[in-house]
Amino acid sequence: EAQVTQNPRYLITVTGKKLTVTCSQNMNHEYMSWYRQDPGLGLRQIYYSMNVEVTDKGDVPEGYKVSRKEKRNFPLILESPSPNQTSLYFCASSLLAVPDTQYFGPGTRLTVL
Amino acid sequence: GQNIDQPTEMTATEGAIVQINCTYQTSGFNGLFWYQQHAGEAPTFLSYNVLDGLEEKGRFSSFLSRSKGYSYLLLKELQMKDSASYLCAFLSGAGSYQLTFGKGTKLSVIP
Repeated sequence: EAQVTQNPRYLITVTGKKLTVTCSQNMNHEYMSWYRQDPGLGLRQIYYSMNVEVTDKGDVPEGYKVSRKEKRNFPLILESPSPNQTSLYFCASSLLAVPDTQYFGPGTRLTVL
Repeated sequence: GQNIDQPTEMTATEGAIVQINCTYQTSGFNGLFWYQQHAGEAPTFLSYNVLDGLEEKGRFSSFLSRSKGYSYLLLKELQMKDSASYLCAFLSGAGSYQLTFGKGTKLSVIP
């Protein structure tokens, strides 16, 4: 089944404890992206990648890191999480480098205490 | 700067037609997207307009005017299951493929 998977789906952690949220797609998609969604602020792009080893900043990259070593995986790393990073995170992918049709993962709800 | 705006909430009656507007400002432009998001779920793709004009897909149509920085999503023959948030987003151009989303329009369909 063609899909975008994220792990974990739910995470509660404490300030400063490094964490990684994984994202994987099995559709050989070029474009992958991370978003956060907060009430009243909508969906905001954190980072995106147009291909392996090619990543670029979105609207809100501060406090996050990404890597794209393989085409299928695009992990989101929070080196030192803070409470303002409590949010719902979505990973998405698109067949082409230009994201004409994005498929979203199910979301990861992160709480930083 | 970059900006995108859409109404916060709308209500419409089952069987009716509703138009959700979206205005944007950006220095580079590579297209306008519409997504649907039901409560508690991930967004799903509805449409992508690159050129001016109307594109129709079943009960949903999307319109774009690049010169006016304006798009709308038209939903016909509304059904209860169309109750959801509708997100518009533009894709930046000029070598950057950054997506900027509006805050979403929450549509409530009433009997």
